[in-house]
Amino acid sequence: AQSVTQLDSQVPVFEEAPVELRCNYSSSVSVYLFWYVQYPNQGLQLLLKYLSGSTLVESINGFEAEFNKSQTSFHLRKPSVHISDTAEYFCAVHTGNQFYFGTGTSLTVIP
Amino acid sequence: KAGVTQTPRYLIKTRGQQVTLSCSPISGHRSVSWYQQTPGQGLQFLFEYFSETQRNKGNFPGRFSGRQFSNSRSEMNVSTLELGDSALYLCASSNTGTGGSYEQYFGPGTRLTVT
Repeated sequence: AQSVTQLDSQVPVFEEAPVELRCNYSSSVSVYLFWYVQYPNQGLQLLLKYLSGSTLVESINGFEAEFNKSQTSFHLRKPSVHISDTAEYFCAVHTGNQFYFGTGTSLTVIP
Repeated sequence: KAGVTQTPRYLIKTRGQQVTLSCSPISGHRSVSWYQQTPGQGLQFLFEYFSETQRNKGNFPGRFSGRQFSNSRSEMNVSTLELGDSALYLCASSNTGTGGSYEQYFGPGTRLTVT
């Protein structure tokens, strides 16, 4: 079975500093990769996805993630964070007709 | 298109009772998945329904069950509630299958509190 690992449960970072949220998965066989964001008291919203093509994918609010097949990773990065980026971030893998989610990383942006 | 809707948004029940949660997917989506979210555990997969059939099932006891109707709306039932069932229950719909985008669209969740 597929497993998704988000090693960092909490990441505090100062405003305007860069951030990287790490995500590793167990199998590289035909996977689709996603990052979701959850703001307080809300459901999850899709941030970005990798289905095929360019291994670097970007979101409209400045986040990017790179699919690394050899390292089975899909780390999320942003060069300069804002207060409004404070949220829970979930990495997800779709394979074999099922979605698998990581346990989430709580990003806190400090003014 | 309207998003995924879940009812009710908040629910308080007593141990031993049973509860039914409802989810209406995005129009045209045939897959509905249910997740339990608790602090520290992240999202734990309950089950997925596709065209009225349970396609996948997570590792939850038989007290957790679900069904999907012909219009793709889904219900989840939990019988004999326990304190540990207190959680946010999220429903997600997707257009999985040939030509589908595979991504899941989540509802706002139902916050269940068991006392």
